[in-house]
Amino acid sequence: GAVVSQHPSRVICKSGTSVKIECRSLDFQATTMFWYRQFPKQSLMLMATSNEGSKATYEQGVEKDKFLINHASLTLSTLTVTSAHPEDSSFYICSARDIPLREQYFGPGTRLTVT
Amino acid sequence: AQSVTQPDIHITVSEGASLELRCNYSYGATPYLFWYVQSPGQGLQLLLKYFSGDTLVQGIKGFEAEFKRSQSSFNLRKPSVHWSDAAEYFCAVGAREEYGNKLVFGAGTILRVKS
Repeated sequence: GAVVSQHPSRVICKSGTSVKIECRSLDFQATTMFWYRQFPKQSLMLMATSNEGSKATYEQGVEKDKFLINHASLTLSTLTVTSAHPEDSSFYICSARDIPLREQYFGPGTRLTVT
Repeated sequence: AQSVTQPDIHITVSEGASLELRCNYSYGATPYLFWYVQSPGQGLQLLLKYFSGDTLVQGIKGFEAEFKRSQSSFNLRKPSVHWSDAAEYFCAVGAREEYGNKLVFGAGTILRVKS
């Protein structure tokens, strides 16, 4: 149980385009999902907290208009990187918090490369 | 605010040898503490966690960790390392009063296992 998936696992896009990453909790409901970013050889940095049915809460320094988060259901949150640039290339990991136990479960990550 | 320090960026141990990965945290109250493992290009897998009670916590894959309040430490140990343990290990801290919310991660320790 407690499986979180991310799609796509890898994506390459051209500079200036937008990319959408999906995070799904497959066998549990999650009112809260988290989006992390991990640069090569660095730790995970929390970007934003996504709450079902409400606006996401962004960490300081994260551009809201660039990283659009939508949490439309209890099993799906999406992160859209708008007008992507090479410096947005990174490994994006989501986690989902289940309702009763409040445990966070992590997805396998999405490798974004912007050319 | 919470912070986590993992002093060792890389550690190399021989297969069969014992392992200890260090983690120190900074937090004003009693935190929740976690150890995660990440294989290259993969998401995070929870090894173990500490909430309260017994300060020696057993996890998966033969790992254990000990919470020492006086030293603000939560070191990860394994008595005999296997080649498959080679990965990156992250210590994380969460705020007790808002369990299930944001986690702060350490920089990670890369474990290499030599045969």
